[in-house]
Order: sequence, then C-alpha cells, then structure tokens
Amino acid sequence: DAKTTQPNSMESNEEEPVHLPCNHSTISGTDYIHWYRQLPSQGPEYVIHGLTSNVNNRMASLAIAEDRKSSTLILHRATLRDAAVYYCIPRPIYGGSQGNLIFGKGTKLSVKP
Amino acid sequence: NAGVTQTPKFQVLKTGQSMTLQCAQDMNHNSMYWYRQDPGMGLRLIYYSASEGTTDKGEVPNGYNVSRLNKREFSLRLESAAPSQTSVYFCASSEIVREGANVLTFGAGSRLTVL
Repeated sequence: DAKTTQPNSMESNEEEPVHLPCNHSTISGTDYIHWYRQLPSQGPEYVIHGLTSNVNNRMASLAIAEDRKSSTLILHRATLRDAAVYYCIPRPIYGGSQGNLIFGKGTKLSVKP
Repeated sequence: NAGVTQTPKFQVLKTGQSMTLQCAQDMNHNSMYWYRQDPGMGLRLIYYSASEGTTDKGEVPNGYNVSRLNKREFSLRLESAAPSQTSVYFCASSEIVREGANVLTFGAGSRLTVL
C-alpha cells in the first residue's frame, strides 16, 4: 500500500479557498487517489477521487500532479461546515484484494469565521 | 434513503460481557466493513465482507466475530469485552463507481465503553 504524507493541521478563513496537500510518492500506476473527510463526531464521508486527470464535483476539486506523486484537494470557498479531518488515501482500482481503505492521521482543517 | 444504519449508538459494557453491534445498508451494496477508531487515530479495519456469504479478517480482528446475515446486514460481535475494545465503531458499505473506483459510505458510528 502506498504511504501518504499530509500536514497534521491547517487553518483557513471562512469563504477563502483551501488547498490541502498530500504526498504519495510510492503510489502505483493503478491506484486511485481518494479523499475522505470526517466531521466531528461523525463517520467519514467520501469527497472525491481521481486517477490522472484533475477532477471536480459539487464538494471539491482534485488536482493531481503529472507524476502522480502528489495531489491537492481544493475547497473553493471554505465554510464552517468544512472543518474536519481530511484523509488522502491511495487505493487500487476496484479496491484491491481486500477492498478496504487504509486511513492515516489526515489533516485537521480549522475554519475561522 | 437512510444509507448505513448502526445500532446502538452508545453502549457501556462490563469486562467479560458480550454484545452485538448491528449494521444495515439499503443501497444494495455488495461489500461491507467494520472499522474501529481510537482517540486521535485513523480508522482500522476489523473485518470485511466482499459479498453475501463471505467474510475476511482485516488489520485488527482479534476479539471480534462477524456475521453477514444477508446482503443488507453485517453484524459485529464481541464475545468477551475487554477495556482495550473501548472505541468508536464504524460500519461501511461500498460500491464500484466511475472507472472502477470503490467508494465507501459510512454509518454514524457506535460508541462503546468497556469498564
């Protein structure tokens, strides 16, 4: 499984963009990059995933480096509700032999009003 | 659409007691999972079920048993609870979405305290 490195914590102001970085230098060519987030006292929720191209959805954008050794989750306008721990998780296509997600410690995002 | 439902939400046990955490999903997903999360830690996989009738151990299976009762339900049993099993337990189910990516949907969690 690919190892990931994320900042322990980040701060943002409300309504400003937030760029959450993730290094995954040992990622394999068939690993998707998944992002999940966990709001306080809740279960994790899926945010976005990508393979090579940048991806957008209603929650966020995912920018993937050309060499795929790093990626950045972009929240275009942070709200107080975006305060959460964000996890970057490389994962084999179709989930691999076990199908599970391997969670690291993630980045705790704080949003100031 | 309820998604993944876990019961109970909170439970306090004494050492040695047994209990079962229940999980049900209404999204027709084939795969289901049980994770635990200890304070300040990421989630760790206990058991998973790739499809109805199959179960496999994850990273931390000791002290737990599971049953995939049918496609909807996946239960986690503690036969003899220990204080080290004090944790928040999350159930999840998954589906294959765009381009073969396997995306998980989690329940709200069950907080278990073992005294």
